[in-house]
Amino acid sequence: AQSVTQPDIHITVSEGASLELRCNYSYGATPYLFWYVQSPGQGLQLLLKYFSGDTLVQGIKGFEAEFKRSQSSFNLRKPSVHWSDAAEYFCAVHGNTPLVFGKGTRLSVIA
Amino acid sequence: EPEVTQTPSHQVTQMGQEVILRCVPISNHLYFYWYRQILGQKVEFLVSFYNNEISEKSEIFDDQFSVERPDGSNFTLKIRSTKLEDSAMYFCANKRETGTDTQYFGPGTRLTVL
Repeated sequence: AQSVTQPDIHITVSEGASLELRCNYSYGATPYLFWYVQSPGQGLQLLLKYFSGDTLVQGIKGFEAEFKRSQSSFNLRKPSVHWSDAAEYFCAVHGNTPLVFGKGTRLSVIA
Repeated sequence: EPEVTQTPSHQVTQMGQEVILRCVPISNHLYFYWYRQILGQKVEFLVSFYNNEISEKSEIFDDQFSVERPDGSNFTLKIRSTKLEDSAMYFCANKRETGTDTQYFGPGTRLTVL
C-alpha cells in the first residue's frame, strides 16, 4: 500500500525567503503525486501534480515540485515566499487506491 | 472555474443523532469521494462512489456510514448514530474521469459531536 511522509510538521520562513517542503512516498510502481494547500477554514486546493514526463512540474502561485524517483521524493519549492502562502500543505499519492495524504506541513511566514 | 460546494459548513449534533452531509459536485464529474480530517491529523479516505454504487471504502467507513446520490446531483454522506470520535472536517471530492484525473475538493463540513 502507498504511504506519504512529510517530515516537517511546522516550518517558519521569512517573507521573501525561499521555501522547500519535503515529501517522501512509498509505492511500488510509478506514483501519481500531488501537492494540495489548505488555508485556515478552507478546503484543499490543488497546487500541482505529477503523472509522468518532465520531473520538474510547475504549479499555481509560483510553486514547483521535483519528482526524484531515486529518492522517492516530491519536494515542493518556491523561490520567494509571500505572507499569503501561510497555510497547511499536504502531499498526496495516488496509486492503486484513492489519494493517500501525508500529515501535512504547516507553513508560517514572518515579516 | 466550477467549484464543489458542501452544506452545511458547520454542523453541531448530539451523540447518537443522525447527520447528513451534502455535497454538490461539479457537473459532468462522475467519480465521487468523501474524506475526513480529524483536527490536527491528516486527511483520510472514507469512500469512493461511481455509477450509483460504492467502488471502494476504507476501514473507517463502517456500517454507521452510508452514501448516496438521491437526486442524481447531490452526493450525501450519512452517519446514522454519531459518536464523539466522528467529530472532524469532512471533505467531498470529485473528478471527471477515472485514473489520474484530478480530484477537486469542496470546502468541507465541520462536524462537531457533543
